[in-house]
Amino acid sequence: DIQMTQSPSSLSASVGDRVTITCRASQSISNYLDWYQQKPGKAPKLLISATSSLQSGVPSRFSGSGFGTDYTLTINSLQPEDFATYFCQQSYNVPLTFGGGTEVAVK
Amino acid sequence: QVQLVESGGGVVQPGRSLRLSCAASGFSFRSYGMHWVRQAPGKGLEWVAVISFDGNNKYYADSVKGRFAISRDNSKSTLYLQMIGLRPDDTAVYYCAKDMGSNSNDYYGLDVWGQGTTVTVSS
Repeated sequence: DIQMTQSPSSLSASVGDRVTITCRASQSISNYLDWYQQKPGKAPKLLISATSSLQSGVPSRFSGSGFGTDYTLTINSLQPEDFATYFCQQSYNVPLTFGGGTEVAVK
Repeated sequence: QVQLVESGGGVVQPGRSLRLSCAASGFSFRSYGMHWVRQAPGKGLEWVAVISFDGNNKYYADSVKGRFAISRDNSKSTLYLQMIGLRPDDTAVYYCAKDMGSNSNDYYGLDVWGQGTTVTVSS
């Protein structure tokens, strides 16, 4: 199984900050990397698929990059509605596996 | 609109069975792979199982293999998860989710999620 290591597990930030979350796979996943946002009590929401493809309706301040084993989610100019938990997930093969999550909290 | 609605959760004793359902609407259900993902209280996301668009391919997480069975009825646009031999560590919110890929045996991002149904395994 492919292990996904996400860091940091939590961070504190202010509105307007630039936030970067990383995800490392235990083997190359050829850009089959997706990012989700989850707010308390809600289902996850797909933000970015295939490393960098922004889903419809997702603000352009969200972006993704990476290749091989290392991937990054960047939020430029953090907004109040962005405080949430973020998960990466590889869809390179089954079993699909998620990172442990990153909680973005208010500083 | 595109929607997934789970049902069938509840409180069940260890060793008992439960069947979850996920009713889909607003898209061509028969064209997409479907997943179950769960989240234990206060924990992260755990992928559980996937079934291909035509039902011919099914894969499971090791933690549920042999105890859970995923199935689908394309005529009813409904996904199922039959769970037997439930254990306390199966306690979680169970989400069904649609795969982005259509008519494919490859899997991509999960672009539509239900609201989840809660399963509690406790004596």
